[in-house]
Amino acid sequence: GEDVEQSLFLSVREGDSSVINCTYTDSSSTYLYWYKQEPGAGLQLLTYIFSNMDMKQDQRLTVLLNKKDKHLSLRIADTQTGDSAIYFCAESINDYKLSFGAGTTVTVRA
Amino acid sequence: DADVTQTPRNRITKTGKRIMLECSQTKGHDRMYWYRQDPGLGLRLIYYSFDVKDINKGEISDGYSVSRQAQAKFSLSLESAIPNQTALYFCATSDLGYGNRGSEQFFGPGTRLTVL
Repeated sequence: GEDVEQSLFLSVREGDSSVINCTYTDSSSTYLYWYKQEPGAGLQLLTYIFSNMDMKQDQRLTVLLNKKDKHLSLRIADTQTGDSAIYFCAESINDYKLSFGAGTTVTVRA
Repeated sequence: DADVTQTPRNRITKTGKRIMLECSQTKGHDRMYWYRQDPGLGLRLIYYSFDVKDINKGEISDGYSVSRQAQAKFSLSLESAIPNQTALYFCATSDLGYGNRGSEQFFGPGTRLTVL
């Protein structure tokens, strides 16, 4: 089945690292994505990871993939106020369909 | 200018009214999608289209219809709106999956629809 789960809320202090976790169920997923939604805006692709990788780093973002446990995480280093947003994990079911999690609302406090 | 635009951005309507939400894109993508977002539920796919003549139902198509007027335009209609269709609606586009990018979807800014 297609079911992506993630925690709904995360509060982090400015300058600390944020870790957002996600679990998925479709072991055949080829790509896994992290999207960011800022208030009043659509979703914007932050980063993605191909299923044959276990880690990807892109500036302050680090994605870890544990295929055995079907667990995906996004780490944001040195979290800033501009990182406050909703973060969606998504898995590719095929080459056009994405299955999204419910989204994690990240609040950065001073 | 934004690559994916949606109109209107906000709409309040009454139960039973017909509503059309419009989406336009300048990315030249063949594939277009309509999603709805509800708090705590993430995004759910309503309809998707691979080209002008290829339209498919998503997981929650009941109560909705779509029209692909051109490669760049994809509209979503609620024939008789009901309160549980109150949600945030997103249009998205993608090209064919290629290389190591998969099928990245590009989203519009959303339309907030309230049905009273």
